[in-house]
Amino acid sequence: DSGVTQTPKHLITATGQRVTLRCSPRSGDLSVYWYQQSLDQGLQFLIQYYNGEERAKGNILERFSAQQFPDLHSELNLSSLELGDSALYFCASSLAGKGDTQYFGPGTRLTVL
Amino acid sequence: KNQVEQSPQSLIILEGKNCTLQCNYTVSPFSNLRWYKQDTGRGPVSLTIMTFSENTKSNGRYTATLDADTKQSSLHITASQLSDSASYICVVSKETGANNLFFGTGTRLTVIP
Repeated sequence: DSGVTQTPKHLITATGQRVTLRCSPRSGDLSVYWYQQSLDQGLQFLIQYYNGEERAKGNILERFSAQQFPDLHSELNLSSLELGDSALYFCASSLAGKGDTQYFGPGTRLTVL
Repeated sequence: KNQVEQSPQSLIILEGKNCTLQCNYTVSPFSNLRWYKQDTGRGPVSLTIMTFSENTKSNGRYTATLDADTKQSSLHITASQLSDSASYICVVSKETGANNLFFGTGTRLTVIP
């Protein structure tokens, strides 16, 4: 158990819909990262927040957005969903920045029908 | 162009044997390199993290090496166990830039009895 929690574990929705994925980092960690992993694909970095502020941005679509709240939990919002958005979405947290070990959550499996 | 390439793509070995996985990168300026183990459907787990000045780091039966001059890293697994069956992912961090995490596509290792 990494100490990072993600909800929900599974999510099934239809094309065009909007969903919100939630992540709670390990206690004391200030950075949260979001990743997408499609079937048999590598991890794709989406976005990083540090203490409430956006720190780095990867290959995140404009239909996707994220935020980190004052209690440091984070949400990833996915809108106008397409079939190709079906994937595992992982959240990771670290103490601060890029030199620190990232601890990954169990992931949310999103299926878009 | 910042890239991370891993080889082989997949590997099957007998239980008890050793193996070495490779990671070559072109990411610059280099900050650190991490190896992760990812079981199918689970979040990645950090094995090692190395900075520019470190050329070897061990974590139990896992030993990672880094040659920053040739921009190569390897992960050596000793006396493999069935539980080592997983994908092993190399991640290189760049010192600067907003998008500073570069992922390899992983090596899928299968250990058979």
